Amino acid sequence: DTGVSQNPRHKITKRGQNVTFRCDPISEHNRLYWYRQTLGQGPEFLTYFQNEAQLEKSRLLSDRFSAERPKGSFSTLEIQRTEQGDSAMYLCASSARGTANTEAFFGQGTRLTVV
Amino acid sequence: AQSVTQLGSHVSVSEGALVLLRCNYSSSVPPYLFWYVQYPNQGLQLLLKYTTGATLVKGINGFEAEFKKSETSFHLTKPSAHMSDAAEYFCALGGPGNQFYFGTGTSLTVIP
Repeated sequence: DTGVSQNPRHKITKRGQNVTFRCDPISEHNRLYWYRQTLGQGPEFLTYFQNEAQLEKSRLLSDRFSAERPKGSFSTLEIQRTEQGDSAMYLCASSARGTANTEAFFGQGTRLTVV
Repeated sequence: AQSVTQLGSHVSVSEGALVLLRCNYSSSVPPYLFWYVQYPNQGLQLLLKYTTGATLVKGINGFEAEFKKSETSFHLTKPSAHMSDAAEYFCALGGPGNQFYFGTGTSLTVIP
């Protein structure tokens, strides 16, 4: 399978715990994006990388959220001290070029439930 | 400012009937527009996109959309609905840094 892969698909955690999600993009894509989708809403942009450089992170929801892409390949999204409001689907996407007319390819998402 | 508005959060059509899902956008630059489909507990799949050139864009599964600059619209249509079309549909606007601005989605129900 050469699509965008996200792990885990589902995560249930207790409030206050830290969680980390992984995204493996399509191998030749140099851009990687993280989005959050809550019930009944469209995906909301969080951050993106070009290779290993994080070019936009001001849209991360709080300082509890952080993302890395250390070698320009896979990426991780970490949420520290989770809150119930963090429950959502976290989507990763990748694209081949950095122009606005380039479509992004999405993974199946990681559904986070904070109890 | 970049934004997308999808009119109608829920649309129901009979099998075989015309599907029309509405999308309007606001953009300070020439827009690049996309329609994505999402099945339950799945990621988003690209249906079609408009960049430049022909304003009528054809996509997968018989869907098409027409870019109308004067109306700032990019409505999605399909002549004959199929049961397998039942899903959530998102209109998106490509923006700086290639991030997407998504609408809130339209849930399509197909009635047999």
